[in-house]
Amino acid sequence: GQQVMQIPQYQHVQEGEDFTTYCNSSTTLSNIQWYKQRPGGHPVFLIQLVKSGEVKKQKRLTFQFGEAKKNSSLHITATQTTDVGTYFCAGVTGNQFYFGTGTSLTVIP
Amino acid sequence: DSGVTQTPKHLITATGQRVTLRCSPRSGDLSVYWYQQSLDQGLQFLIQYYNGEERAKGNILERFSAQQFPDLHSELNLSSLELGDSALYFCASSVAGGLLRQFFGPGTRLTVL
Repeated sequence: GQQVMQIPQYQHVQEGEDFTTYCNSSTTLSNIQWYKQRPGGHPVFLIQLVKSGEVKKQKRLTFQFGEAKKNSSLHITATQTTDVGTYFCAGVTGNQFYFGTGTSLTVIP
Repeated sequence: DSGVTQTPKHLITATGQRVTLRCSPRSGDLSVYWYQQSLDQGLQFLIQYYNGEERAKGNILERFSAQQFPDLHSELNLSSLELGDSALYFCASSVAGGLLRQFFGPGTRLTVL
């Protein structure tokens, strides 16, 4: 069945270091969305990527959608303590969302 | 504040019981989604309703059911509860039936003892 895998599951970084999480789908996606969930909070939409090879930036965050529309990445430059949380990708195909397993980011001050 | 409300915030019950979780979507949103989040798992999509009709079904157990009412609020019914049903249940809403960005509610934490 459809699967969306995310790596790594956990990441600890020193404040100021970069961070990347990767999302891989077993099938081609129509689009992919990224969400952030702060500890004790609910997922919050960050961005949606639709086109093959698309790259979008939000301040220190860079999102990429692969050429084959089967993988995506989120890169954070110079992490800050406010970046702490779990980042989920959500692949959209057919009539459903398939959320990735999430990457929990810890930023050490 | 996403504009999506969920009640109750916390629910503690016993195995074998039945509970109902309630969700009110953002004003104007026609789609409602339900998710289950366990400690060691990510977000598991359960079911989606659009304007009162079931639109998509995920990993929803037969013991669980949902509906969306004419005023667009939705309820998730969980019956014959088991210890493993303890989790955070999120409701999300989006404007249309298409798979657009979702706005998540604060969640209902269910504990089955």
